[in-house]
Amino acid sequence: DIQMTQSPSLLSASVGDRVTLNCKASQNINKNLNWYQQKLGEAPKLLIYYTNNLQTGIPSRFSGSGSGTDYTLTISSLQPEDVATYFCFQYNSGPTFGAGTKLELK
Amino acid sequence: EVQLVESGGGLVQPGRSLKLSCVASGFTFSNYGMNWIRQAPGKGLEWVAYISSGSSYIYYAETVKGRFTISRDNAKNTLYLQMTSLRSEDTALYYCARGATVATWGQGVMVTVSS
Repeated sequence: DIQMTQSPSLLSASVGDRVTLNCKASQNINKNLNWYQQKLGEAPKLLIYYTNNLQTGIPSRFSGSGSGTDYTLTISSLQPEDVATYFCFQYNSGPTFGAGTKLELK
Repeated sequence: EVQLVESGGGLVQPGRSLKLSCVASGFTFSNYGMNWIRQAPGKGLEWVAYISSGSSYIYYAETVKGRFTISRDNAKNTLYLQMTSLRSEDTALYYCARGATVATWGQGVMVTVSS
């Protein structure tokens, strides 16, 4: 199975900060990676698909990048409504999720 | 609007069975592969099973292989998950989700395995 390691597990940042979340795969996943946002008590919501494609309706402050085994989700200017847990997900083979990064306001 | 509505959850004793359903609307169900994904209380997400649009391809996580069966009825726009030999570690919120890339999720249905 492909293991997905997210870092950090907890991130505290201020409104307006540029925030970077990381996801590392145990082997090449060929950019077959999505990012999801999950707020408390809600289902996950797709933010980014296939590494760097913004899902319809998602604010442009969210962006994704990466290749091979290393992937990044960036929030260019953190907003209060971005407080949530973020999961990466690889669907290259034997689909697996990362453990999540909990993003909170400082 | 794309909608996925799960049902069939509840409290069940260890070793017993339960069948979940997910009714889809707002899109052509028969064109999409579908997934079951679960989340134990306070924990992360675990992919459980996938079925292709025509049921030709079916895959399971190792943790449920041999105990869970995913199926679908395209005439009824419905996805199923038959769960047998349930264990306490199967306690979770179960989501159905659309597509091999898991783009759209339902709101989930809770399954609690406890004596």
